[in-house]
Amino acid sequence: GNSVTQMEGPVTLSEEAFLTINCTYTATGYPSLFWYVQYPGEGLQLLLKATKADDKGSNKGFEATYRKETTSFHLEKGSVQVSDSAVYFCALNPNFGNEKLTFGTGTRLTIIP
Amino acid sequence: SQTIHQWPATLVQPVGSPLSLECTVEGTSNPNLYWYRQAAGRGLQLLFYSVGIGQISSEVPQNLSASRPQDRQFILSSKKLLLSDSGFYLCAWRNYGAGNSPLHFGNGTRLTVT
Repeated sequence: GNSVTQMEGPVTLSEEAFLTINCTYTATGYPSLFWYVQYPGEGLQLLLKATKADDKGSNKGFEATYRKETTSFHLEKGSVQVSDSAVYFCALNPNFGNEKLTFGTGTRLTIIP
Repeated sequence: SQTIHQWPATLVQPVGSPLSLECTVEGTSNPNLYWYRQAAGRGLQLLFYSVGIGQISSEVPQNLSASRPQDRQFILSSKKLLLSDSGFYLCAWRNYGAGNSPLHFGNGTRLTVT
């Protein structure tokens, strides 16, 4: 079956530090991959996505590259801010006849000034 | 543009009372609709999803039910709430049949069962 494994949190960084949140997946075929962000007390928002191998999704300074050879979609940001504190979810969609996304368990990120 | 509305934002209900949470989507037709639950500090659990009016798929046997009386309306219900039903409930939609289309989430309902 399909699965997403995320780096366990919580992760605490100082402002302006480099961020990596690891995500690996298991799926047949060529899934689409997503990163979602959830700020405190809110629903999830799409942060970025990639729909095929070697695609790079980017948004708000965050980037993730779809690596089929390593089945990974790691989230990175070069310099984090306090406002980036949130929970981050990696997700995949298998892209064939299955209407459900599979989510990772989420990684809580806290940025300290 | 498409929008999703979910209400109420917060709800406190006694054990054994009924529940009805409502979600509506505007600006799109025939969306796939989803209900997720997020327990405190935990990940997302898919409860129900629907690919059309009257079509409901249940992911986890539980005390809850879902209905889709109209194309863009999705309702989560319970006849008698349990303490374990407490959590953050999220409604979401995506375009029908579009594999690379992302989910769009509502702002959630925080349910506390006392």
